[in-house]
Amino acid sequence: DVKVTQSSRYLVKRTGEKVFLECVQDMDHENMFWYRQDPGLGLRLIYFSYDVKMKEKGDIPEGYSVSREKKERFSLILESASTNQTSMYLCASSLALIFKTRQTNTGELFFGEGSRLTVL
Amino acid sequence: GNSVTQMEGPVTLSEEAFLTINCTYTATGYPSLFWYVQYPGEGLQLLLKATKADDKGSNKGFEATYRKETTSFHLEKGSVQVSDSAVYFCAPRGGGSYIPTFGRGTSLIVHP
Repeated sequence: DVKVTQSSRYLVKRTGEKVFLECVQDMDHENMFWYRQDPGLGLRLIYFSYDVKMKEKGDIPEGYSVSREKKERFSLILESASTNQTSMYLCASSLALIFKTRQTNTGELFFGEGSRLTVL
Repeated sequence: GNSVTQMEGPVTLSEEAFLTINCTYTATGYPSLFWYVQYPGEGLQLLLKATKADDKGSNKGFEATYRKETTSFHLEKGSVQVSDSAVYFCAPRGGGSYIPTFGRGTSLIVHP
């Protein structure tokens, strides 16, 4: 069974702490994503990665960084946590889109169960 | 860029009622269209998808038809159950990008 695993379901941190959220997928997917989910705002893309050591900013990258040293692992880092980063964080992965044969895959995302972070 | 508009919730229904959740989108090229569902306390999972015009995606009694002329992908179910209570997200992916655009989600609450 395919799986995206997020290391922590619930975390409570203090303002100014450095926070690591880890995500591992076992599907050999090229693409990995970090979203945050807030009531009334839906899902917002923080960062994504289309290959090892590659990363691209999403819609709301400020205050976050990411690391992808291995294909299966994508980490989200909050260098100095703030209360406005209290949220649900969702990791996802997908196959690469092959542009020459764009029907190769439909781009379905596979999500982890989420990490609910509270910053006090 | 792509955008998607979903009807706002919550949608509250009695068991066995008919469900429609509207979704319209803008996208370049020929997007693939997805509905994801999020059950309480869980991440999102794919509910159904359609990859070209007039395709109908279906799963678990839910259906949605890819309407290119109206750029819509409305989700329907003929008879909802309490277990369908969840948040539903419409998500087109198009323009050569592998990144879908998510709607804000529609919460569905089904009462016995």
